[in-house]
Amino acid sequence: DQQVKQNSPSLSVQEGRISILNCDYTNSMFDYFLWYKKYPAEGPTFLISISSIKDKNEDGRFTVFLNKSAKHLSLHIVPSQPGDSAVYFCAASDGSARQLTFGSGTQLTVLP
Amino acid sequence: EADIYQTPRYLVIGTGKKITLECSQTMGHDKMYWYQQDPGMELHLIHYSYGVNSTEKGDLSSESTVSRIRTEHFPLTLESARPSHTSQYLCASSGTTPNSPLHFGNGTRLTVT
Repeated sequence: DQQVKQNSPSLSVQEGRISILNCDYTNSMFDYFLWYKKYPAEGPTFLISISSIKDKNEDGRFTVFLNKSAKHLSLHIVPSQPGDSAVYFCAASDGSARQLTFGSGTQLTVLP
Repeated sequence: EADIYQTPRYLVIGTGKKITLECSQTMGHDKMYWYQQDPGMELHLIHYSYGVNSTEKGDLSSESTVSRIRTEHFPLTLESARPSHTSQYLCASSGTTPNSPLHFGNGTRLTVT
């Protein structure tokens, strides 16, 4: 049973526009959420995170929103750039185990 | 910047062979992890270690084994490789601060023929 779901395997946006990547989770014990970006033939790199005590965290062009009641988070990238083309993984952890549970990823393609 | 190294990057090997995937980090992190990932799928935790001489199995059952004799080194071994072991193996480490993000290596792409 997948506890972290990224229902869109792929997303294409035009350069300069907003990219919105979505993630849903089922485990109400999750209290910390992260986004990782992965280029081909490389390992994932940490992008941005958010604690469950917040509903928004911003870092430059990247903003993560958390809706706890809906068990939903999203990553906004604005403006999108061709270098943002990568697979984006959503991950979550709970306070006890502190192990990360990952989603299956969304391939973002930013078209020039 | 995070320094975590995995070798080899790519490995093609025949069924029944013993293999060891190497992972080293220079950040002094106590926590280290092995994840397995197939294309289009989530990363699955197969092993983790919170310090020297401490190893645990992750959520995904794996026939591989790990050891942690030195802080910086966390090798993964398959005694007898099978085609079902074909996958990408990602090593990661993290600091002890709560919610420290994982730093990943570039992975080993294993193909067992």
